[in-house]
Amino acid sequence: QVQLQESGPGLVKPSETLSLTCSVSGGSMSNYYWSWIRQPPGKGLEWIGHIYSSGTTSYNPSLKSRVTISVDTSSNQFSLKLTSVNTADTAVYYCATDRIYFQHWGQGTLVTVSS
Amino acid sequence: IQMTQSPSSLSASVGDRVTISCRASQTISTSLNWYQHKPGNAPKLLIYGASTLQGGVPSRFGGSGSGTDFTLTITSLQPEDVATYYCQQSYTIPYTFGQGAKLEIK
Repeated sequence: QVQLQESGPGLVKPSETLSLTCSVSGGSMSNYYWSWIRQPPGKGLEWIGHIYSSGTTSYNPSLKSRVTISVDTSSNQFSLKLTSVNTADTAVYYCATDRIYFQHWGQGTLVTVSS
Repeated sequence: IQMTQSPSSLSASVGDRVTISCRASQTISTSLNWYQHKPGNAPKLLIYGASTLQGGVPSRFGGSGSGTDFTLTITSLQPEDVATYYCQQSYTIPYTFGQGAKLEIK
């Protein structure tokens, strides 16, 4: 059973960069896609983007200019960087396995953007 | 692709049959998935490919539809089914979710 766990700062200042890591256990990262998804307080789910184990990425156009997703299969981790954050980026951020449906999810981590 | 769910909230009694609809702004074949989300938990995959039940999900959950119109059905509502339900299209990137349907017990 694949398990995922997000980690990173819970508070980020406006205009700075949000950085999160997802640690994967219980399975290999090879030959799969890995996604980041977020949920602002009181709102619905938004797909941020994904990365294939080879490093190929796709991003949501609404965030594309600010997002970078990277993978380190040797460490069983993938990461999210979101630059120039503002209060609208306050959300619970989830990592998930991606087979065009999201089968396994991390528990989520709340990131608050505030000075 | 925009996904629209209806209703946005609903209340039903234990044992009732519940249906939640999801409409896509363009055809997505059967590339439609359903999730159950309880507060404080990660979303849980219920159904993929419009009608395939994810392993371990109770058989009272079912999905149907193709093209632009889809339905999630709970045949006999249980107290543990209180949650928000989301549809998600996987036909094209960016993947998009519906706004959610909050289900409560009367």
